[in-house]
This record gives sequence, structure tokens and C-alpha cells, in this order.
Amino acid sequence: EAQVTQNPRYLITVTGKKLTVTCSQNMNHEYMSWYRQDPGLGLRQIYYSMNVEVTDKGDVPEGYKVSRKEKRNFPLILESPSPNQTSLYFCASSSLAGGLRDTQYFGPGTRLTVL
Amino acid sequence: RKEVEQDPGPFNVPEGATVAFNCTYSNSASQSFFWYRQDCRKEPKLLMSVYSSGNEDGRFTAQLNRASQYISLLIRDSKLSDSATYLCVVNDYKLSFGAGTTVTVRA
Repeated sequence: EAQVTQNPRYLITVTGKKLTVTCSQNMNHEYMSWYRQDPGLGLRQIYYSMNVEVTDKGDVPEGYKVSRKEKRNFPLILESPSPNQTSLYFCASSSLAGGLRDTQYFGPGTRLTVL
Repeated sequence: RKEVEQDPGPFNVPEGATVAFNCTYSNSASQSFFWYRQDCRKEPKLLMSVYSSGNEDGRFTAQLNRASQYISLLIRDSKLSDSATYLCVVNDYKLSFGAGTTVTVRA
């Protein structure tokens, strides 16, 4: 089954404790991205990757890191989480065959709370 | 000005009604447009792409007005299962999401 998986789905942590949210897709997609979703603000892109070892900042990259060592995985790293990073996070992937016109496939989301 | 703006609603309509709402975008060079559906904080899923000539998919009709820089979504014969948040997405070499329009269909 074609899918994007994220782990963990729910996480409560404390300020400053490093964490990683994993994202994996099994569709051989080149493009992967991370979004956060906050009430009234919609989905905002954090980072994206066009292919292995190619990553770039989105609209709200501060406080986040990513890596793309393998095509299928795109982990999101919070080196020192802060309460303003409490949010719902989505990973997404798509083929680049049609530019960005192809369907974005989203993971199920990770609900993060930073105390 | 936000890149993509939507009326947040909620649009509360009875079953069988028609509901329509718009999304405006700021970049006149935007390349392509989509409507995604999101159920109750679950992951967004593609509902339909929006073509220049307008397009239908069953009870859903999408229109693009480049001159006024907006896209629209119309839902005919609303079903309870249409209750969701509808996200407008604009591609101008990056994807920009609207904050969503919430539709609630009541029995």
C-alpha cells in the first residue's frame, strides 16, 4: 500500500529536550516536505527536499533541522524544542514528474506538545 | 497580505443544499491550483485539481478566475460526509496553503 508514515503520532516533551520525528514514504517520490499546522494559520512549510542530499528552507524553518540521506526518509529534528513549536506536524511526499502539479501524499500527522 | 486567503466559515448547510466558497491568491504568476480536503485534524487529501477551463468531479465543481485571482469550489447536493475543512492550495513554484474553509452539513 502506498503510504507516508510518521512516528511518533503523539509526543509530549519538555523545553530543550532534543527530539526527532521520522517520516518515510514507499512511493519512490523525489519531493518530500514538512509542514506545521496551527489554528487559523493553515499549513506552513518548514523544510522541503527535492531529492537525496538536497534540502531547502520553507517559510518557517527556525528551530528545525532536516536531513535526506535516503530517498524514502526525511526526519525532522528539533534540537532544542520550545513551547512555540507545539503544533500538528505533517510530512508529505510527491513525485516531481509533473513539477509540483502532482498529488501531495500526507502522513497521518504528529501532534507535538512542548511544555 | 497572505499568499492564499480563504473564508474560514463555518458554512453550515442542510443535506441536499448547494454550498460554494472562494479562495484568493496574491501571485498572478501562480501555476496550478488544487482543493484538498481535511477531516478533523487528519491528513489533507487531494480532492481535485483546478483547471483553467473549470472542471467537475461528480458533485464538486472547481473554477479558476485568473483575472480576479481566485478559485472556487461548489458542492451540489451536499451529503453529511462532505463535512470537512477544504484547503485551497496554490503552486507558484512552492505550495502555499490556505487556512481552510469549514463546511458542516446537517441532517
